[in-house]
Amino acid sequence: DARVTQTPRHKVTEMGQEVTMRCQPILGHNTVFWYRQTMMQGLELLAYFRNRAPLDDSGMPKDRFSAEMPDATLATLKIQPSEPRDSAVYFCASGPGQGENIQYFGAGTRLSVL
Amino acid sequence: AQSVTQLGSHVSVSEGALVLLRCNYSSSVPPYLFWYVQYPNQGLQLLLKYTTGATLVKGINGFEAEFKKSETSFHLTKPSAHRSDAAEYFCAALPYNQGGKLIFGQGTELSVKP
Repeated sequence: DARVTQTPRHKVTEMGQEVTMRCQPILGHNTVFWYRQTMMQGLELLAYFRNRAPLDDSGMPKDRFSAEMPDATLATLKIQPSEPRDSAVYFCASGPGQGENIQYFGAGTRLSVL
Repeated sequence: AQSVTQLGSHVSVSEGALVLLRCNYSSSVPPYLFWYVQYPNQGLQLLLKYTTGATLVKGINGFEAEFKKSETSFHLTKPSAHRSDAAEYFCAALPYNQGGKLIFGQGTELSVKP
């Protein structure tokens, strides 16, 4: 049963700490998306990769957020330093990159910054 | 910029009643269209999709949606609501020239009363 795997599922940290969230896309998918979900803003696209190259990260605060794909099986989203306003659920999704490019979502990382 | 609008951030129905969740897209060229469902503390799950062909598409859990080009709509329906349908529902569009990025509506929370 192919699925997108995100770790950790929950993270509680203190303001100023570095946070790293990981995502394992579905094998064979070459597009990866990072989203943030909050009550106030809803679902926001933070970054988008195709074949491991970042195509669009315009939705991401550049000063503290960074997204990378060290290899085809791992995508990371880092926040340094973290702030309370970063508290949200972060979702990773992957897609085959062609045709309908249906996006398959992971279960998310719930981040709380105190 | 293209957009997706979901009418009503919260819809409440009685168990056994018709479910109707509204979605309109803004595009002169019909995009691919999707409905996702999000259960509490979970990621988004694809309910159904429209790409080409038959305008009435069936999805999982008894849901269906009809694409109406003249109305730029893609409303989601289910003849008889069940308590397990309580969740948040997202309509999304995949325009042809956006490099695979989905445009999401704001979401509609469905409550099902006993």
